[in-house]
Amino acid sequence: GQQVMQIPQYQHVQEGEDFTTYCNSSTTLSNIQWYKQRPGGHPVFLIQLVKSGEVKKQKRLTFQFGEAKKNSSLHITATQTTDVGTYFCAGLRGNEKLTFGTGTRLTIIP
Amino acid sequence: NAGVTQTPKFQVLKTGQSMTLQCAQDMNHNSMYWYRQDPGMGLRLIYYSASEGTTDKGEVPNGYNVSRLNKREFSLRLESAAPSQTSVYFCAVSPGSPRVSQHFGDGTRLSIL
Repeated sequence: GQQVMQIPQYQHVQEGEDFTTYCNSSTTLSNIQWYKQRPGGHPVFLIQLVKSGEVKKQKRLTFQFGEAKKNSSLHITATQTTDVGTYFCAGLRGNEKLTFGTGTRLTIIP
Repeated sequence: NAGVTQTPKFQVLKTGQSMTLQCAQDMNHNSMYWYRQDPGMGLRLIYYSASEGTTDKGEVPNGYNVSRLNKREFSLRLESAAPSQTSVYFCAVSPGSPRVSQHFGDGTRLSIL
């Protein structure tokens, strides 16, 4: 079945440093979604990417979808304490169900 | 999180007991989902319902049953709880196609002793 791997599993950064999480699929995806889950909370939708090579920005967050539509990344510039949480990618192949990645837990050292 | 309401928020069961987790939405969305979340394993789909009256298995359906009672409600039942089912359970909804985003409830934290 479809697998979506995310690396790293954990990331600790100093406040103000950048952060990147990577998502890789074993199959070509029709779209990819990103979610953020605060500690003790529930996943919250951030963004969806559909086109090959697509890049989208939300303030300090930059999302990319690979040219082959098999990988994606989320980059946060100048992290803040409010960025703490676990970031999940979720890939969709055709009209099948979303498959969530394993997540990257981000902690910020003040 | 008024859009998707899950009850209860916490529950402790003994092995072999049964219970039903409830999920209700006021977003008028067609599709509803049940996920479980375990450390290091992300979110895994248990069952989903594309529309009222239909249900389908996800990645990890064994040991669970579901009921789509009406458009608003989607329940998850554990007939005979096992320690391996200790997890955080999330209900999610989406308008229809999985191509659009999902909106999650606050979750039910379930411990089975």
